[in-house]
Amino acid sequence: NAGVTQTPKFQVLKTGQSMTLQCAQDMNHNSMYWYRQDPGMGLRLIYYSASEGTTDKGEVPNGYNVSRLNKREFSLRLESAAPSQTSVYFCASIEAQGQGVLTDTQYFGPGTRLTVL
Amino acid sequence: KQEVTQIPAALSVPEGENLVLNCSFTDSAIYNLQWFRQDPGKGLTSLLLIQSSQREQTSGRLNASLDKSSGRSTLYIAASQPGDSATYLCAANRGSTLGRLYFGRGTQLTVWP
Repeated sequence: NAGVTQTPKFQVLKTGQSMTLQCAQDMNHNSMYWYRQDPGMGLRLIYYSASEGTTDKGEVPNGYNVSRLNKREFSLRLESAAPSQTSVYFCASIEAQGQGVLTDTQYFGPGTRLTVL
Repeated sequence: KQEVTQIPAALSVPEGENLVLNCSFTDSAIYNLQWFRQDPGKGLTSLLLIQSSQREQTSGRLNASLDKSSGRSTLYIAASQPGDSATYLCAANRGSTLGRLYFGRGTQLTVWP
């Protein structure tokens, strides 16, 4: 199992450009999440998808859109990038909440380091 | 809103010491609490998860405790090694937003030989 994979690993954008961050998991997990991590701060939730076909806003959704393409894939799109979106983006997944330690443990991808100039 | 605080922000110790990392949270109505390890430039690796009904979890040299009434969790690392050097994050899951984690800012640990 590759676990949670993210592409690209690094990206530099100019203000106003758009891009899509890709995330895929091969653990047959139901729920997936996008977080951002800024220097000196904890991770903050951008969007999440409790199951295939559903998405919901997290703490910092402005400027982002998401798509749960299928059970494996959850993408994050920046329509018009801004310097404030310079960050490290992490995708995560869990099997299902409420059924014990193994299913509740959240697994993270390696991250995408995005710089917006 | 759940707020999570980790103390200290950084810790530097010689190899072999026993360590305690602290995590506090403002809302005691948590579903579970997870401790993660993050190496520089890498993603997060789950170390331990404590359900709200549990008091502690152990894995090898790591032991995590949870006291909901006081809003605290501690991560105990026994006989620290240079390979333990990393940033340790705690995250509280309130359970209301499915799986959503509230993270602290982390403790950056350096263990020198």
